[in-house]
Amino acid sequence: EAGVAQSPRYKIIEKRQSVAFWCNPISGHATLYWYQQILGQGPKLLIQFQNNGVVDDSQLPKDRFSAERLKGVDSTLKIQPAKLEDSAVYLCASSLDRGDGYTFGSGTRLTVV
Amino acid sequence: AQSVTQLDSHVSVSEGTPVLLRCNYSSSYSPSLFWYVQHPNKGLQLLLKYTSAATLVKGINGFEAEFKKSETSFHLTKPSAHMSDAAEYFCVVSDRTGANNLFFGTGTRLTVIP
Repeated sequence: EAGVAQSPRYKIIEKRQSVAFWCNPISGHATLYWYQQILGQGPKLLIQFQNNGVVDDSQLPKDRFSAERLKGVDSTLKIQPAKLEDSAVYLCASSLDRGDGYTFGSGTRLTVV
Repeated sequence: AQSVTQLDSHVSVSEGTPVLLRCNYSSSYSPSLFWYVQHPNKGLQLLLKYTSAATLVKGINGFEAEFKKSETSFHLTKPSAHMSDAAEYFCVVSDRTGANNLFFGTGTRLTVIP
């Protein structure tokens, strides 16, 4: 089966600019997650979707971050405006159902200068 | 609250010698525990998972981990290291009673010396 697809692989932007990341989960996977991995740290959950509904966004900095999964399939994560501390790898993962093992994408490496 | 502590940020072993990566967990409930591996510029790959069945869990590439409730530990082992094992390893606990989110440790970088 095809894995979790993410794009772009790399992005460099200036602070205060906007950026968007895209994720397409494994076909049929109802649950989709966005994680932020800062260099030297473990990934931290930003938001979890179940189909097109948000299950948990308690760790999402909502003043600048937003995410959507309108049709319950692919998802977009946006940062507006970006700060230097947003430099990280943004990982998308999906699972067939909550409690199943996750499959991660290769991530998008964001550098804010 | 759930959390994991990876006791070593960096482990270095010679090729062909055993690997031990240590992890302690904290969980208010019976946890699900995982080990993930991350090779440079690659995505996270699931090595193995414990979900309250057998306490000794076997994973891919010859890795295994033992769940020890009395010690709140879930250490990852492999009898003989291979050069391709060099990577970052993450111990992970799941919030089974809530949204089933994963909580990652800070990672252990494994170096394999030829």
